[in-house]
Amino acid sequence: AQSVTQPDIHITVSEGASLELRCNYSYGATPYLFWYVQSPGQGLQLLLKYFSGDTLVQGIKGFEAEFKRSQSSFNLRKPSVHWSDAAEYFCAVATGGSQGNLIFGKGTKLSVKP
Amino acid sequence: EAGVAQSPRYKIIEKRQSVAFWCNPISGHATLYWYQQILGQGPKLLIQFQNNGVVDDSQLPKDRFSAERLKGVDSTLKIQPAKLEDSAVYLCASSPSRNTIYFGEGSWLTVV
Repeated sequence: AQSVTQPDIHITVSEGASLELRCNYSYGATPYLFWYVQSPGQGLQLLLKYFSGDTLVQGIKGFEAEFKRSQSSFNLRKPSVHWSDAAEYFCAVATGGSQGNLIFGKGTKLSVKP
Repeated sequence: EAGVAQSPRYKIIEKRQSVAFWCNPISGHATLYWYQQILGQGPKLLIQFQNNGVVDDSQLPKDRFSAERLKGVDSTLKIQPAKLEDSAVYLCASSPSRNTIYFGEGSWLTVV
């Protein structure tokens, strides 16, 4: 069965420090992968997505993610975190082809220290 | 471009009561989803529509939950009767194609 694992429930980083959020997926076919961010009381905003091609994808707000098939991973990175990045981050894999639904991980809550 | 609209944003009801949530997707988006997000978890798909038809409702608790999408545009999700464990955020989302799914801000339900 398809699944997504985000091993870190909560991460705290200092403002200006680099960030890496981990995501591992289980999916038999070529995965469509996503990272979403959710601020308190808000819906989900798409940060970036991977369908095919270049394994390093750029997203909004200075985020990037790298797809590694050999490790079944799609980790999210940002070189310098801003206080406004504090939120919950969800990794997701799409199932069923181009119109499939998303299976989400449980999320990683990011706190930013001044 | 207008986003996915949902209402009401917040609702508190007693167990065994009923509640309905409304969603208006982005114009032109054929696919509409309802997700349930329980506190501390990622969203879980309840039902997926393609135009008027249901594509996937395998995780919808059909004894108490129902959903419809009239004329392939707006959608309503109903819970009757509500249980305590239905307390969650109900997220509506829509998609034109290629899995770029856009989410609304959610409807927060508390069952007491």
